[in-house]
Amino acid sequence: DSGVTQTPKHLITATGQRVTLRCSPRSGDLSVYWYQQSLDQGLQFLIQYYNGEERAKGNILERFSAQQFPDLHSELNLSSLELGDSALYFCASSVVEGKAGELFFGEGSRLTVL
Amino acid sequence: EDKVVQSPLSLVVHEGDTVTLNCSYEVTNFRSLLWYKQEKKAPTFLFMLTSSGIEKKSGRLSSILDKKELFSILNITATQTGDSAIYLCAVEVWSHANDMRFGAGTRLTVKP
Repeated sequence: DSGVTQTPKHLITATGQRVTLRCSPRSGDLSVYWYQQSLDQGLQFLIQYYNGEERAKGNILERFSAQQFPDLHSELNLSSLELGDSALYFCASSVVEGKAGELFFGEGSRLTVL
Repeated sequence: EDKVVQSPLSLVVHEGDTVTLNCSYEVTNFRSLLWYKQEKKAPTFLFMLTSSGIEKKSGRLSSILDKKELFSILNITATQTGDSAIYLCAVEVWSHANDMRFGAGTRLTVKP
């Protein structure tokens, strides 16, 4: 158990819909990262927050957005969903700002868009 | 554009075999290279390498980095079925924020 909690574990929805994925980092970790892993693909970095502020953006679509709240949990919002958005979405946390080093990953949220 | 390339993409071996997984990279401002093991869900950390030529070892797993030739290898000796997983290589670059590039992974299957 990495200490990073993600909900929901599984989500099935239809094209055009909007979903929210939630992540609680390890206790004491200030940085939260979101990654997308499509079938047989590596991890694609989406976005990073540190202590409530956005720090870096990767290959995140405009239809996607995220935020980190004062209690440090984070949410990833995916809207106008398309079939290609079906993937495993991971949240990871680390304690040191800007120096990812070892990331602790949650179990992921598997999104299926039908 | 930064690149992290892992090979082979998949590998099937029998218990007791030794395997070598490769990770090559082209990035600016290299900081460290990390290996993760992904079984059913969440990747778990194996090694972080920052210096060339210094082997990191944990049980039957070991890894080494060559910063001149820009690659790393992960060795697993006396493989067991429990080693079956996707092994991910990630390269961290110096930045004010997260800059970690992941390879596509090597899917290792160890047959009894």
